[in-house]
Order: sequence, then structure tokens, then C-alpha cells
Amino acid sequence: GAGVSQSPSNKVTEKGKDVELRCDPISGHTALYWYRQRLGQGLEFLIYFQGNSAPDKSGLPSDRFSAERTGESVSTLTIQRTQQEDSAVYLCASSLGGTSGAGELFFGEGSRLTVL
Amino acid sequence: GESVGLHLPTLSVQEGDNSIINCAYSNSASDYFIWYKQESGKGPQFIIDIRSNMDKRQGQRVTVLLNKTVKHLSLQIAATQPGDSAVYFCAENAGGTSYGKLTFGQGTILTVHP
Repeated sequence: GAGVSQSPSNKVTEKGKDVELRCDPISGHTALYWYRQRLGQGLEFLIYFQGNSAPDKSGLPSDRFSAERTGESVSTLTIQRTQQEDSAVYLCASSLGGTSGAGELFFGEGSRLTVL
Repeated sequence: GESVGLHLPTLSVQEGDNSIINCAYSNSASDYFIWYKQESGKGPQFIIDIRSNMDKRQGQRVTVLLNKTVKHLSLQIAATQPGDSAVYFCAENAGGTSYGKLTFGQGTILTVHP
């Protein structure tokens, strides 16, 4: 499709289970971002990929969180041993990268994670 | 303006009125600012951006004003329409290589009444 695609759109899991969230960025976008949005709040930066550079992981809240990206394509965010406080909408965004239109991120519709 | 916590600021306007949404940012080193619109159940959508060497930028029906002295950002929407109803977020970036690494405000709920 033309936009950023995320799956699953909704995920309900039990505390302690691992989850994987997938993001398909817009074709040709070299930069990919993961953000987290708790209910009624703004977005929190998690991780950023730019081309073949080492990812900026400074926003990951704990070592239970990790993400990978295959080249300039699909990314997967993995949360191990989920906790109830991990419940949130996880948003992926892509952009052209560099400084041109730097803040114009194109967001997917998010994956809503509920940890019981 | 935006605030910390679950009680988001709200703004209610009549269709056709002008709307002004305010934001106080925190990092004096931020050199790039963006406004996003988020409709229910969707991801945020870029509206307009401004760099720190400017104090005003206009788009289609929207204007962003930046006051670096008091670290204040505002979004003005002209002739507000029901389709403008959404949560509006300001975001800032402190530069460097990660231009999309943004710090978002808490959001303001805009409701436009027909």
C-alpha cells in the first residue's frame, strides 16, 4: 500500500508472554521510528533506524524491548515478558530521512497492545 | 496550553471560527518544531513545521507562531471546520542526526461544533 502498514492492529496477551509487532514503512523511506502512546498521552520515542547506521535505541524503556529492521524495509518491535504497564498503542513511522522535511513523519495506525 | 497528566486541555469552537492552540516547550536547544493532528483510532498526521530561525510560517488555513524567548509555540486554524476536530500535538526536536526523534507534548483536544 501507499502508507505505513502495521500489524497486528490489536493484540491482547497475558502478562509474561512475548509479543512481536510488525511495521512496513513507505517504500523509499530510509528512516523508520517506533513510538509508544499511552492512553490520553503524547507519543514517547522508542527507537530510530536510518539506513545502515546503528539504530538510536535511547528511548527503549528496558532491556525487555528490542527492535530490528531488515535493510530499509520491514521492522519488528519485540517486547519480552510483557508487563501490564506495557499496554499502549505502538506507532511506527517512516520518513525520507536526512534534514529535508525532517519532522514529517508518516505514521501507521498503530498496534494496540493490551497486557492482562 | 498543554499540561502533564491524563486531563488534556480542550478547546471548543463553532464552525467558521478561528482556533488557537498553544504549546509550551521545554528544551531551549530545540531548533525544529512540528504540529501533528491525530484523529480517533489513527496515527498522527503532519500539519506544519517551523525552524528556530523563523517566528512565523503559514500553510493552508494554518499558521504556526514561534516565540523562542518564552519557549512558546502556537497553531492557528482559520475558519475551523468539523473535520478539524481531533487531538493536536506539538513536538520539538533538538537537532543532531535524528531529526525525526521528537519530544511530543500531551495534546489538546479540539472540538468543532457545526
